[in-house]
Amino acid sequence: GAGVSQSPRYKVTKRGQDVALRCDPISGHVSLYWYRQALGQGPEFLTYFNYEAQQDKSGLPNDRFSAERPEGSISTLTIQRTEQRDSAMYRCASSLGTVSYEQYFGPGTRLTVT
Amino acid sequence: GEDVEQSLFLSVREGDSSVINCTYTDSSSTYLYWYKQEPGAGLQLLTYIFSNMDMKQDQRLTVLLNKKDKHLSLRIADTQTGDSAIYFCAESISLGGSQGNLIFGKGTKLSVKP
Repeated sequence: GAGVSQSPRYKVTKRGQDVALRCDPISGHVSLYWYRQALGQGPEFLTYFNYEAQQDKSGLPNDRFSAERPEGSISTLTIQRTEQRDSAMYRCASSLGTVSYEQYFGPGTRLTVT
Repeated sequence: GEDVEQSLFLSVREGDSSVINCTYTDSSSTYLYWYKQEPGAGLQLLTYIFSNMDMKQDQRLTVLLNKKDKHLSLRIADTQTGDSAIYFCAESISLGGSQGNLIFGKGTKLSVKP
């Protein structure tokens, strides 16, 4: 079966624009996670969902960042009024159940804010 | 607070064993993971260990966990050039019965010389 997919793979945007990053988890996976990875660093947690409920958004850096998963499947991470410091790789992961310990990652979206 | 530390670089010769080390600070970690990231690729889950185990072997991979010292290691036997990648150590903590987010180290870049 297909793995986690993310789109777009690359996004270049001008400072001040809004961007929406999409994650399509593995079919049937209940939990979905968003991470951000700067160059030379490990991924850092942003937020996660069980089904459509956002369980933890403590990693979102500020209120320009939001995420939703309205039907418990595809998720969108939105960044409003982008800034250069938002440039990073944004990674999505999914796991089978709420107590599942295996998170499978997508290929990521490389965001560049100019 | 939670923190995961790894050495940044490791260089070995093809056919030798590689040992990548990691220390973590949170004693309530439930699972500890090793992920592999190849250039331009996503994060691949290599293996994981439950915190009440002290060793896990999976083909060429051996994970050792010293819970007292909060030290985790990954040994790759008979290292091949295809093992060249960045290896991330990560921990997860159970939150109210659910598996929460992963906390990653900065990654160890393994270079395998022929």
